[in-house]
Amino acid sequence: ELKVEQNPLFLSMQEGKNYTIYCNYSTTSDRLYWYRQDPGKSLESLFVLLSNGAVKQEGRLMASLDTKARLSTLHITAAVHDLSATYFCAVPSALDSNYQLIWGAGTKLIIKP
Amino acid sequence: DSGVTQTPKHLITATGQRVTLRCSPRSGDLSVYWYQQSLDQGLQFLIQYYNGEERAKGNILERFSAQQFPDLHSELNLSSLELGDSALYFCASSFRPGPNQPQHFGDGTRLSIL
Repeated sequence: ELKVEQNPLFLSMQEGKNYTIYCNYSTTSDRLYWYRQDPGKSLESLFVLLSNGAVKQEGRLMASLDTKARLSTLHITAAVHDLSATYFCAVPSALDSNYQLIWGAGTKLIIKP
Repeated sequence: DSGVTQTPKHLITATGQRVTLRCSPRSGDLSVYWYQQSLDQGLQFLIQYYNGEERAKGNILERFSAQQFPDLHSELNLSSLELGDSALYFCASSFRPGPNQPQHFGDGTRLSIL
């Protein structure tokens, strides 16, 4: 059974600081997605990582994928209040032909002004 | 705007009742997914359809059912509602099932059971 673990689950930080959210998964996959969710809102696709070593950046967020370590990181640089949200990673399971997404529990990020 | 449309946005009803949630996928997407998100359970996958056929089931209760119609819209039916069914219900769509197919989410239906 594929499991996806995120840590930390909750993070409170000051504006201007850097931090990293980790997403570990338990079986082989060379794809991983990151989503953002504002409170009570929809999930917005942030990054689609499609190969080992993939790195994508948008603004103050950078995501990377290491398929050998089964690890993805979401790095926040010089955080600003607008980045406060819950961040989810999701991994498509190769255990069935539907490649069902297996979701992490989410990391709730609060950035204090 | 993801292009996925869910109605209604809010629904308030009583225990024992039945409701229907509706989802229109993004133009061109053939696959529809339903999720339940409650405070204590996180994001739970319920069921997936592809081009009108059920493809995968997750943690969907027997009181819940869904279908995808020929025009590709989907409906999630929840019956004999219980207090614990109060949650955000999301629909997502993708072109087809597959590892390179990110899912695009609608704004959700917030269901409140009184």
